[in-house]
Amino acid sequence: AQSVTQPDIHITVSEGASLELRCNYSYGATPYLFWYVQSPGQGLQLLLKYFSGDTLVQGIKGFEAEFKRSQSSFNLRKPSVHWSDAAEYFCAVGARPGGSYIPTFGRGTSLIVHP
Amino acid sequence: DSGVTQTPKHLITATGQRVTLRCSPRSGDLSVYWYQQSLDQGLQFLIQYYNGEERAKGNILERFSAQQFPDLHSELNLSSLELGDSALYFCASSPLAEAYNEQFFGPGTRLTVL
Repeated sequence: AQSVTQPDIHITVSEGASLELRCNYSYGATPYLFWYVQSPGQGLQLLLKYFSGDTLVQGIKGFEAEFKRSQSSFNLRKPSVHWSDAAEYFCAVGARPGGSYIPTFGRGTSLIVHP
Repeated sequence: DSGVTQTPKHLITATGQRVTLRCSPRSGDLSVYWYQQSLDQGLQFLIQYYNGEERAKGNILERFSAQQFPDLHSELNLSSLELGDSALYFCASSPLAEAYNEQFFGPGTRLTVL
């Protein structure tokens, strides 16, 4: 079965600093990979997804992620963080048990942004 | 606003009781997914319906059941509630059957079992 590890429970950055959130997955084939963001009191919103092709994926709100097959990683990056980016970030892997591609989510990384 | 609505926003009930959570998907979306988010387990997939039919099943307890109606809204029924069922329950929708399509999440229903 597929699994996702987000090693960092909390990340604190200063506004304007760069950001990298780590995600490692376990799956026997090329998975579908997602990053979602959850703002306080809100549902999840898709930031970006990788299915195939270019391993550097651009998303909304200035985020990007890079798929590295050799490292089984799909890290999320942003060059300059804004205070409004403070939220919970979830990495997910979609595999195909029974053809469903249901995503398995990591435990999340809480991003704290200092002014 | 994702376009997915969930009612109620909050629900407080007692152990042993039964509750129904309701979800209206985005206009035109045929798939509805239910997730449970708790501190212990994180975000767990429960069940997916596509155009009225069960499409995929995850870690859903036998005490829980769901259905999708002809107007495509969905209900999640939780019975014989236990303290451990306290969680945030999310509904998500997407246009197609395959779950790798973007899912649009509702704001959730927070269930507290006392």
